Amino acid sequence: EPEVTQTPSHQVTQMGQEVILRCVPISNHLYFYWYRQILGQKVEFLVSFYNNEISEKSEIFDDQFSVERPDGSNFTLKIRSTKLEDSAMYFCASSEAGTRSFGPGTRLTVT
Amino acid sequence: SQQGEEDPQALSIQEGENATMNCSYKTSINNLQWYRQNSGRGLVHLILIRSNEREKHSGRLRVTLDTSKKSSSLLITASRAADTASYFCATPRGDNAGNMLTFGGGTRLMVKP
Repeated sequence: EPEVTQTPSHQVTQMGQEVILRCVPISNHLYFYWYRQILGQKVEFLVSFYNNEISEKSEIFDDQFSVERPDGSNFTLKIRSTKLEDSAMYFCASSEAGTRSFGPGTRLTVT
Repeated sequence: SQQGEEDPQALSIQEGENATMNCSYKTSINNLQWYRQNSGRGLVHLILIRSNEREKHSGRLRVTLDTSKKSSSLLITASRAADTASYFCATPRGDNAGNMLTFGGGTRLMVKP
């Protein structure tokens, strides 16, 4: 069964550095998403992407964040200048319609 | 309560018992979804119930939806130790297939062998 994959599984970075989290959605899916989960807290929506543009974003998704689909398979989340509070699990998801398939997540630790 | 709030927050049962988790939401929805998350891992979709459905089954899972009360329940029958995980309900905002999902805080289920 096809799965969403994410790399790396764990990323440690220093405050102020840029990070790029990578995702390979399921190939025939049309909608792509990023969510995050700070340790012990709810899963929070960041952004959705459809037809090569952002279709919806939350208040969390400020100017420090950007997404890109650089080719036919990858979907990336870039954080330009990381802050301590960006430490979280970041989940990529994709869907045709309705249910989302989530990736295993990237644990981002900002020190 | 916020959109998609589960109760109880934590539930501990013995293997073989049934586990019931509840979810309440505030706004109108066209479907409600339940997800499972093993500790430190990704989210796995369990079941989706549409607003015109009242009950849905999938294996040992039974989900109900009461749109008049804006609530849903997830029942796991004959629980197993492997069912130990956090369970989340999630509701989409709007009717668009790509709309954001709002997750509740989850119920942490522990099934003791």
